[in-house]
Amino acid sequence: QQQVKQSPQSLIVQKGGISIINCAYENTAFDYFPWYQQFPGKGPALLIAIRPDVSEKKEGRFTISFNKSAKQFSLHIMDSQPGDSATYFCAASSRGGGNTGKLIFGQGTTLQVKP
Amino acid sequence: NAGVTQTPKFRVLKTGQSMTLLCAQDMNHEYMYWYRQDPGMGLRLIHYSVGEGTTAKGEVPDGYNVSRLKKQNFLLGLESAAPSQTSVYFCASIPGSVRGAGELFFGEGSRLTVL
Repeated sequence: QQQVKQSPQSLIVQKGGISIINCAYENTAFDYFPWYQQFPGKGPALLIAIRPDVSEKKEGRFTISFNKSAKQFSLHIMDSQPGDSATYFCAASSRGGGNTGKLIFGQGTTLQVKP
Repeated sequence: NAGVTQTPKFRVLKTGQSMTLLCAQDMNHEYMYWYRQDPGMGLRLIHYSVGEGTTAKGEVPDGYNVSRLKKQNFLLGLESAAPSQTSVYFCASIPGSVRGAGELFFGEGSRLTVL
């Protein structure tokens, strides 16, 4: 059972364009939604995160949009650069159940930004 | 600080062999996790630990065992390796506080091939 569904699986964007990756979740107890960025041969690293009390969070060229009623959230990369080429994972967790910090990850999106 | 260190980085096993992956963190983090990453499947939680001497099952625990004898180390064991366990394994940790929940620090991964 995939609790966090991510799309698309792969994405090709021209330099300067907007990259959009979408995620949908099922568990309404989720209350923390991070995005991780992974370069080849490296471990994932936290990029940006949001909690459900806000609908949008922006950090530089990266923005998370959150729709609680639809149980969806998305990552927007503005002015995409070749250095943004990586695999992106959305994730979700719940502070309930003892706050174990467990993250449930989406399937990942491989982004290629063409120069 | 080294952060989260995994050893070995690469290993090839024959079906039925056993091995142990070692994860060490020098950040005094309370919680530690083992994930596996497979194409199209994202990162799936195998086992986790919320403190020294404690372990718990994640989403895909079958065929794996873990131990957390020291706070800084989290070991993942395969007693009888199977080709289905061919994967990239990632260890991660977080401080364990509410504020730190979800912000995982990952190692660089251990690539395991089972023939």
